[in-house]
Amino acid sequence: SQTIHQWPATLVQPVGSPLSLECTVEGTSNPNLYWYRQAAGRGLQLLFYSVGIGQISSEVPQNLSASRPQDRQFILSSKKLLLSDSGFYLCAWSLEGPGELFFGEGSRLTVL
Amino acid sequence: GESVGLHLPTLSVQEGDNSIINCAYSNSASDYFIWYKQESGKGPQFIIDIRSNMDKRQGQRVTVLLNKTVKHLSLQIAATQPGDSAVYFCAETRHTGTASKLTFGTGTRLQVTL
Repeated sequence: SQTIHQWPATLVQPVGSPLSLECTVEGTSNPNLYWYRQAAGRGLQLLFYSVGIGQISSEVPQNLSASRPQDRQFILSSKKLLLSDSGFYLCAWSLEGPGELFFGEGSRLTVL
Repeated sequence: GESVGLHLPTLSVQEGDNSIINCAYSNSASDYFIWYKQESGKGPQFIIDIRSNMDKRQGQRVTVLLNKTVKHLSLQIAATQPGDSAVYFCAETRHTGTASKLTFGTGTRLQVTL
């Protein structure tokens, strides 16, 4: 069966520090991968998605970047965090084409 | 632009009663819709989906209804239980042919009272 792992689960970082959130998927090959952000009490906003190694599509201009160094690994990064980067970050995967997204357990980032 | 929204931000239902959560969408080109359940501090979990060539789909205790004429989606939960308390999101796809770029609504919190 397929599983998705995200880490760290919780992170508190000072403004201006770097960020790296990691996500890996097991049990499937060539998945589509996604990073969503959820502000407190709000819906989910798509940040990045990837349909293959090295292929990254950005949905919104922001202080973050994403990379896919391996088929089942997706990384969300920042060089210098802003207060507005605080939120709940969710990684997800799907098969090719429109369909269900399978979400990880999320990473809660607090920038102070 | 396209958007997905919910009519009621909070819904309080007595245990054992049926729940109905509503959602409106604006993109008439959407062809796939999903309902997710999100418990506090966790990632969203798939509940049920429906394609635009259908108007009703049933699962275990849940039914999704799609009215394309008025661009409305609803989730019905039968015999609501305390474990159903969560935030529920509807989502629709922007068909790209490859990625499943879901657009989510803002969510409805379902509170089940005893």
